[in-house]
Amino acid sequence: IQMTQSPSTLSASVGDRVTITCRASQSISTWLAWYQHKPGKAPKLLIYKASSLESGVPSRFSGSGSGTEFTLTISSLQPDDFATYYCQHYNRDSKTFGQGTKVEIK
Amino acid sequence: EEQLVESGGGLVQPGESVTLSCEASKFTFENYAMSWVRQAPGKGLEWVATISGSGDKSDLADSVKGRFTVSRDNSRNTLYLQLNSLRVEDTAIYFCARNWRYYQDFWGQGTLVTVSS
Repeated sequence: IQMTQSPSTLSASVGDRVTITCRASQSISTWLAWYQHKPGKAPKLLIYKASSLESGVPSRFSGSGSGTEFTLTISSLQPDDFATYYCQHYNRDSKTFGQGTKVEIK
Repeated sequence: EEQLVESGGGLVQPGESVTLSCEASKFTFENYAMSWVRQAPGKGLEWVATISGSGDKSDLADSVKGRFTVSRDNSRNTLYLQLNSLRVEDTAIYFCARNWRYYQDFWGQGTLVTVSS
């Protein structure tokens, strides 16, 4: 199963609503996670099972979708949110990441 | 606070071996499967290996199968990744991560392995 994210890079301003899309090459139900990664830091889990918010993650982050199309939405972009975001299909046999979406300052 | 600290990275020549370690603290290590994930320079995340909590089951990505070995010592709260027959394309930051229901809920900051002559 291949995971494809779009866009690869996104330029946005503080306060913007941001949406990142992740598409699977075949149906994966809701076995999808989203991670945030900043250079030199540990990646951070944001969302699991497509739409479940990890404990401690701000509510401005939300995930949706099932089957082959998924989205990560940041409702109001904050300075701390400039980072690269990855989707991941996971199950017992697969832990495939998308290629990443870099959110840059506009 | 839970912690994962990787070590063992450095500069190695093609064909050589290196063993990475990941020391866990502030959680019950043996209760969790653990994974290694890498990031090559300028590239995205790539899953490398996963091992069960007891250490009796493991799985490796096709790109490293036959060259890398994942293991753990629950008495030392430590995860290992042995990298053999290293190639230039194995150059990456290697992260260890705790698994929860097949996804990775907590990560270390990584250790850099550079394969170059």
